[in-house]
Amino acid sequence: GQSLEQPSEVTAVEGAIVQINCTYQTSGFYGLSWYQQHDGGAPTFLSYNALDGLEETGRFSSFLSRSDSYGYLLLQELQMKDSASYFCAVYAGNNRKLIWGLGTSLAVNP
Amino acid sequence: GAVVSQHPSRVICKSGTSVKIECRSLDFQATTMFWYRQFPKKSLMLMATSNEGSKATYEQGVEKDKFLINHASLTLSTLTVTSAHPEDSSFYICSAREEVRLAGGPGEQFFGPGTRLTVL
Repeated sequence: GQSLEQPSEVTAVEGAIVQINCTYQTSGFYGLSWYQQHDGGAPTFLSYNALDGLEETGRFSSFLSRSDSYGYLLLQELQMKDSASYFCAVYAGNNRKLIWGLGTSLAVNP
Repeated sequence: GAVVSQHPSRVICKSGTSVKIECRSLDFQATTMFWYRQFPKKSLMLMATSNEGSKATYEQGVEKDKFLINHASLTLSTLTVTSAHPEDSSFYICSAREEVRLAGGPGEQFFGPGTRLTVL
């Protein structure tokens, strides 16, 4: 089967750094995406990694290791507005569908 | 990034009625659109993949006669929840895939703002 694992909850304080890990088991892997979703809203795209290595976009960075079937999202200089759910999702299979993790609820405290 | 609109954003209906939700890609052509359902504090559940001009592909366990999908053009897909019941109450989200390849991959998905359906 195809599955993704990520922590269900993470708590941090403003200004801190937090890393959300994602391990996956899929067939026909194309790449790993990260999405942010605030309560009541739709997911918004954060990053996409198809190749090994670190991609940096402002305060957020995403990493992928295809050999380890592992990736992470790194959030730096945390702000209160970063409190949201973060989903890792893998493009996989012959039909290139997004396979979703269960999401990590990030709470940023003052 | 590309914009996907969804209408209506919120709908309340009586049990037994049908509800149509529209999903539009506003500034790009989407040959593929996806319909998701999400329960509170849960992940997105893919319901079906909609390809322009052809029948939708439904995920296992999703009733195609219950959730009718039409992808009539490269910018519009509709989901109709037929004879809705309280258990159909959920957050329905569409997404559209831009076919320009992203780092050699299958292309980025852009999400609509979602439709919250409440069936009384």
